[in-house]
Amino acid sequence: DGGITQSPKYLFRKEGQNVTLSCEQNLNHDAMYWYRQDPGQGLRLIYYSQIVNDFQKGDIAEGYSVSREKKESFPLTVTSAQKNPTAFYLCASTSPGIRSPSGNTIYFGEGSWLTVV
Amino acid sequence: QKEVEQDPGPLSVPEGAIVSLNCTYSNSAFQYFMWYRQYSRKGPELLMYTYSSGNKEDGRFTAQVDKSSKYISLFIRDSQPSDSATYLCAMRYGNNRLAFGKGNQVVVIP
Repeated sequence: DGGITQSPKYLFRKEGQNVTLSCEQNLNHDAMYWYRQDPGQGLRLIYYSQIVNDFQKGDIAEGYSVSREKKESFPLTVTSAQKNPTAFYLCASTSPGIRSPSGNTIYFGEGSWLTVV
Repeated sequence: QKEVEQDPGPLSVPEGAIVSLNCTYSNSAFQYFMWYRQYSRKGPELLMYTYSSGNKEDGRFTAQVDKSSKYISLFIRDSQPSDSATYLCAMRYGNNRLAFGKGNQVVVIP
């Protein structure tokens, strides 16, 4: 089945460590996104990528980095510079393709919980 | 002014009641409108997707879009305890520009 796979589901990070969250999609979507979700704050955009080898900062990019070497993959690294990384992270994808059954809608992964210990 | 406004609630209703949720938006360029349901500790799942003004029905769910008023709604008929979740509105226009409401927590009481 087509969809977005995020891993790991739960991750613990020690102070000063970098961690990488994986996001893989088999929907053939061009655009991919990373959001952070905190209680009462809704979804906040970290980074997005419209095409392979290109990505843009979102509203809260500081302390995060991404890469887009393949269309289906958009990993997010939470660096030690991110001061408050404990949160629920969501990866999403979409595509404007008119002929695609999934076109124009936004699909989400199941999310990754990151906790700093 | 935020692009999308959604009252976070929470909204509590008795089982069988109609749940009414809404979002307002400020950017008239938004073309596509979606409603998502999110259970605790899960990713959002798509419930409804609409493009034009008017109503769209799917089972117990009705999505309504009024582009002239920049207002969208979701109605859930015959609400069930399993409908207890957070509901997010989302909007999109060209260039894959996305905007989300903060989410509205709904509790259906048996």
